[in-house]
Amino acid sequence: DTEVTQTPKHLVMGMTNKKSLKCEQHMGHRAMYWYKQKAKKPPELMFVYSYEKLSINESVPSRFSPECPNSSLLNLHLHALQPEDSALYLCASSQDGRRTDTQYFGPGTRLTVL
Amino acid sequence: AQSVTQPDIHITVSEGASLELRCNYSYGATPYLFWYVQSPGQGLQLLLKYFSGDTLVQGIKGFEAEFKRSQSSFNLRKPSVHWSDAAEYFCAPNFGNEKLTFGTGTRLTIIP
Repeated sequence: DTEVTQTPKHLVMGMTNKKSLKCEQHMGHRAMYWYKQKAKKPPELMFVYSYEKLSINESVPSRFSPECPNSSLLNLHLHALQPEDSALYLCASSQDGRRTDTQYFGPGTRLTVL
Repeated sequence: AQSVTQPDIHITVSEGASLELRCNYSYGATPYLFWYVQSPGQGLQLLLKYFSGDTLVQGIKGFEAEFKRSQSSFNLRKPSVHWSDAAEYFCAPNFGNEKLTFGTGTRLTIIP
């Protein structure tokens, strides 16, 4: 099973809402990633968790809060977002987070902030 | 400074024709090199990767890529494209840390 699942598929939220994105993998991977992808642009790395510890934070605004409750789950908590945060949010996982790892991507959550 | 360039924003080819997508990088050494494909509204899937050794690598879906050190390039090729190959293609080097650096992508359109 090489599947990364993400829920929900679509999310519409207001600027005062609090919501969460969920990502799950059962491949035994120990590295998990959040990316943000705007229309017609490449994915931009937001966060990396390695062995359930945050290893990379690409200077993401604090209105995005990641959480890795266990090695299979990755959440992204959203609060007080701006319309410019509307994008496709992709989760990925890899074996150990090494340079040679293949990253396996989920289908993404399409977020619209009103 | 390290960087990756995909010079072609959009390429249109006829079904059954050959394809070459270009990727160039700037780096003081040989990066680890990846090609990913993204179908509309989907996540990304690895096509192939190169770390060392044989400079011609085979991937999934009939794709191959050739690493040329002298040209700092890692171009993706397919001898005969299918309508299902229509997608966005990203070259993504790893320049020596935990992160992939994605190129700007090339959108491939297939005409019947």
